[in-house]
Amino acid sequence: GQSLEQPSEVTAVEGAIVQINCTYQTSGFYGLSWYQQHDGGAPTFLSYNGLDGLEETGRFSSFLSRSDSYGYLLLQELQMKDSASYFCAPGGATNKLIFGTGTLLAVQP
Amino acid sequence: DSGVTQTPKHLITATGQRVTLRCSPRSGDLSVYWYQQSLDQGLQFLIHYYNGEERAKGNILERFSAQQFPDLHSELNLSSLELGDSALYFCASSVGAGVSYEQYFGPGTRLTVT
Repeated sequence: GQSLEQPSEVTAVEGAIVQINCTYQTSGFYGLSWYQQHDGGAPTFLSYNGLDGLEETGRFSSFLSRSDSYGYLLLQELQMKDSASYFCAPGGATNKLIFGTGTLLAVQP
Repeated sequence: DSGVTQTPKHLITATGQRVTLRCSPRSGDLSVYWYQQSLDQGLQFLIHYYNGEERAKGNILERFSAQQFPDLHSELNLSSLELGDSALYFCASSVGAGVSYEQYFGPGTRLTVT
């Protein structure tokens, strides 16, 4: 079967670091994508992990552990504009990305 | 701007009606995906087309159908509309035939069924 778990909401203050966790179960797993979506906007691609370990892109990093079916997105030096929903999306043998309901990040001043 | 265009931006219609949503992928992209986003269900994959052929289906209702035309634009047809079909409908595109981990999303069509 397929399953995906992320926290529904996370709150942090400007300048802080926040980690959004993702656990998944999907057959034929090949990698984990992360997307950001501002309220009312379109999802935009942030990062992808095809191998175990950390991928860094500016203030954002993403981590994958295949053996634990676990990944996380790390956002550093939080800014108000980072307030958005974040989706992890595992890809697998079903030939589709599973997005789920995402994590709503609220950055406070 | 992702380069993916969707029309219309907003659509208000009554129950029982039929509507067509249109999507043009980024230049050079051959794959088109359709997603439905509602508050309680999150972002749900509906269907994937590559170069005119259906590649994968998600939880797409029988009342919904889609196609991709030779010029690569795609249409999502929703019929016998119900109140629960009110949602944001996104299309996304990517280059290859297999499902891409990096998809480019259009601005969406907000459908309201009254």
